[in-house]
Amino acid sequence: AQSVTQLGSHVSVSEGALVLLRCNYSSSVPPYLFWYVQYPNQGLQLLLKYTSAATLVKGINGFEAEFKKSETSFHLTKPSAHMSDAAEYFCAVSGNFGNEKLTFGTGTRLTIIP
Amino acid sequence: DTGVSQDPRHKITKRGQNVTFRCDPISEHNRLYWYRQTLGQGPEFLTYFQNEAQLEKSRLLSDRFSAERPKGSFSTLEIQRTEQGDSAMYLCASSLVEGEAFFGQGTRLTVV
Repeated sequence: AQSVTQLGSHVSVSEGALVLLRCNYSSSVPPYLFWYVQYPNQGLQLLLKYTSAATLVKGINGFEAEFKKSETSFHLTKPSAHMSDAAEYFCAVSGNFGNEKLTFGTGTRLTIIP
Repeated sequence: DTGVSQDPRHKITKRGQNVTFRCDPISEHNRLYWYRQTLGQGPEFLTYFQNEAQLEKSRLLSDRFSAERPKGSFSTLEIQRTEQGDSAMYLCASSLVEGEAFFGQGTRLTVV
């Protein structure tokens, strides 16, 4: 079984500041990990994914995440926040081949302060 | 192809009525998923198809819910005898590569 925990349901950062959204996972098999972004009344858009290749994963819109097995973490970062980054962010996990579904965290709402 | 398409985008229904949602996946994607998302929560897995075969159903999917994917193309999700607790956003996703799911914009269901 897999699960993810997102620490902080709301995060506020100033425009231009570092964005850090936290995600810890639990998995009985080597995990596949994902970050999705959701804008109001929209579906989810994939930001980036970890599939056991490089531990530092770069995604769209300047976001990146680092897989740390020792800490069971997959935190999302962006060096400089932009107003357009305001959205809901979801961390998700799936197991190896044959366990296809995604298990999502409860989400973190990111607010950007001008 | 512009992505996963869901219809309708919004549905308001009276308690006890049946509703049906449609999802058109990205063409050539053989995997199709349904998720449900309630306010303030992440999406929860409902069911999954590979081609026309329904491979997994969540325990969240009560007997009032049924999903089909005839001919492995579009899919429908039907809810019979709707209840207020069914009010949620219903999301469809499709994929070709394991785990890399592309989501539609969802169908927001309100049961009054």
